[in-house]
Amino acid sequence: GNSVTQMEGPVTLSEEAFLTINCTYTATGYPSLFWYVQYPGEGLQLLLKATKADDKGSNKGFEATYRKETTSFHLEKGSVQVSDSAVYFCALYMDSNYQLIWGAGTKLIIKP
Amino acid sequence: NAGVTQTPKFQVLKTGQSMTLQCAQDMNHEYMSWYRQDPGMGLRLIHYSVGAGITDQGEVPNGYNVSRSTTEDFPLRLLSAAPSQTSVYFCASREIQGWGETQYFGPGTRLLVL
Repeated sequence: GNSVTQMEGPVTLSEEAFLTINCTYTATGYPSLFWYVQYPGEGLQLLLKATKADDKGSNKGFEATYRKETTSFHLEKGSVQVSDSAVYFCALYMDSNYQLIWGAGTKLIIKP
Repeated sequence: NAGVTQTPKFQVLKTGQSMTLQCAQDMNHEYMSWYRQDPGMGLRLIHYSVGAGITDQGEVPNGYNVSRSTTEDFPLRLLSAAPSQTSVYFCASREIQGWGETQYFGPGTRLLVL
């Protein structure tokens, strides 16, 4: 079946460090891929998305490239800030059944 | 637009009590869903609805009921609360487009069952 695997957290970095949060997926067909972010005490909100292979989603300095050959959608940011501390969820969408498949989430902690 | 709203924000129940978590959206989205979020388990789908009058079970439906009498509202009912239902509950509505979809989440309801 379809699934999403994220690296386990928490991930702890210093301010201005480079961030990578790994996400790999298993899917039959051609899913759309998403990163959602959940700031402390809030609901989830869409961070970025990519709908086909080699697409790059970007927002707020974060980027992720849809890699079909490696079935990956890793989240990256060149210089993180304390305000980026949050839980990040990778997800895939299959329009065959209108369902979102979620990763378990990765908690990111940025220290000043 | 208010987006997706949820009430209450916090609730404490005793085992066996019943309650309804309210969810409303003003974006005219057909698709709505309820998730629970537990540490280390990400989001798990409880129930979803593809339109008024239509509901279906998700991954973890036991102990919960839903109804969808209008496009705007999608309440979640706990019939007889159990400690295993202690969690954070998120309601979401979904905008489906040709290339995929975007979900809009409410702020969540934190539920503690004693």
